Amino acid sequence: GENVEQHPSTLSVQEGDSAVIKCTYSDSASNYFPWYKQELGKRPQLIIDIRSNVGEKKDQRIAVTLNKTAKHFSLHITETQPEDSAVYFCAGAGYSTLTFGKGTMLLVSP
Amino acid sequence: DARVTQTPRHKVTEMGQEVTMRCQPILGHNTVFWYRQTMMQGLELLAYFRNRAPLDDSGMPKDRFSAEMPDATLATLKIQPSEPRDSAVYFCASGEGPIYGYTFGSGTRLTVV
Repeated sequence: GENVEQHPSTLSVQEGDSAVIKCTYSDSASNYFPWYKQELGKRPQLIIDIRSNVGEKKDQRIAVTLNKTAKHFSLHITETQPEDSAVYFCAGAGYSTLTFGKGTMLLVSP
Repeated sequence: DARVTQTPRHKVTEMGQEVTMRCQPILGHNTVFWYRQTMMQGLELLAYFRNRAPLDDSGMPKDRFSAEMPDATLATLKIQPSEPRDSAVYFCASGEGPIYGYTFGSGTRLTVV
């Protein structure tokens, strides 16, 4: 089955800095890679996703890149704000699976 | 905004009791997942349904857990008998299938004492 590794497990940045979270996956059949943000005590919410036929996607301060050859994808957050503090999960999905990484706790200090 | 509805939101039960969690997926979504979230294990996939048929329940302890979709508007996850190690938040998520986004419910926080 699919195995998704996520790094780092925690990330502390100053407000205004950029944050990068990286994930690798094992199943070459995975073709959809969503990212979720989970605030304390709340449900995971989809913030951005990328499909295997696209190398990069951007939505305001958030961007995701995908390298299918190397089987890795990354989340980039620019101009971080305190409200970006949360746990971020990457995932790899195919026809019959949706596997999550272990999560990255992002702390943005004012 | 369309929502995935989970009930109950919180459940405290004694060891050995049966627990049933319910999920109403978003209308029109044909894919439903059940996940268990703990600090140590993160989001663990328990069961996966498409068009009400189970596709994958390999992550679910078969001796005590069962998952069903009696109809397209209801998915259930049952634990019998419950144990303290089952204490976790259980999430249901639904979507339109592979390569589409999945929406999570608010979860059921289960505490087994």
